[in-house]
Amino acid sequence: ETGVTQTPRHLVMGMTNKKSLKCEQHLGHNAMYWYKQSAKKPLELMFVYNFKEQTENNSVPSRFSPECPNSSHLFLHLHTLQPEDSALYLCASSQRGSGGVDTQYFGPGTRLTVL
Amino acid sequence: EDQVTQSPEALRLQEGESSSLNCSYTVSGLRGLFWYRQDPGKGPEFLFTLYSAGEEKEKERLKATLTKKESFLHITAPKPEDSATYLCAVNSGNTGKLIFGQGTTLQVKP
Repeated sequence: ETGVTQTPRHLVMGMTNKKSLKCEQHLGHNAMYWYKQSAKKPLELMFVYNFKEQTENNSVPSRFSPECPNSSHLFLHLHTLQPEDSALYLCASSQRGSGGVDTQYFGPGTRLTVL
Repeated sequence: EDQVTQSPEALRLQEGESSSLNCSYTVSGLRGLFWYRQDPGKGPEFLFTLYSAGEEKEKERLKATLTKKESFLHITAPKPEDSATYLCAVNSGNTGKLIFGQGTTLQVKP
């Protein structure tokens, strides 16, 4: 595997289900991100993890729960979602340096549909 | 508040017809401006990073330029395989947070 991988690629769930999205980066990076991409809207940052520590939570509802067990893996746990949460969920990673601007590399995304 | 606006929202070109996409930004302190390409159902693919006004970068038929208020992505003699959504994003802080524009969807017809 190379780059950033995400599983599953497609997910359909009911509002009462619990599911998890998985992201793995094979680039040796130390920062990982979750983004939400809804139709006709800009990519929206959800969470940032720097060296496994959450450094940003962009006012995301508690029904989304991130987990970063190590610098290569990132999860997004989902529970009691709403239909408006249907979107493409993108994971990205980057190498954060001291003062430099890092480039984020994205995975292919998980297309989530909430019924 | 940091903001990124891309125009046009959609662009249709004939193969070989050169054009430019615009990305206007308002940030408190630009640290980097990024261009990505996104194909339907896929994640964004990194194209360029620009750091300061006057900087230019090229890759095949694409050339990105940067001023203090906007960036342009020039597409020279496009081909149908250049059809995609092009995203612009800015980084203005130390958190790694990117602010994205809504994108320009380019369609190149043979």
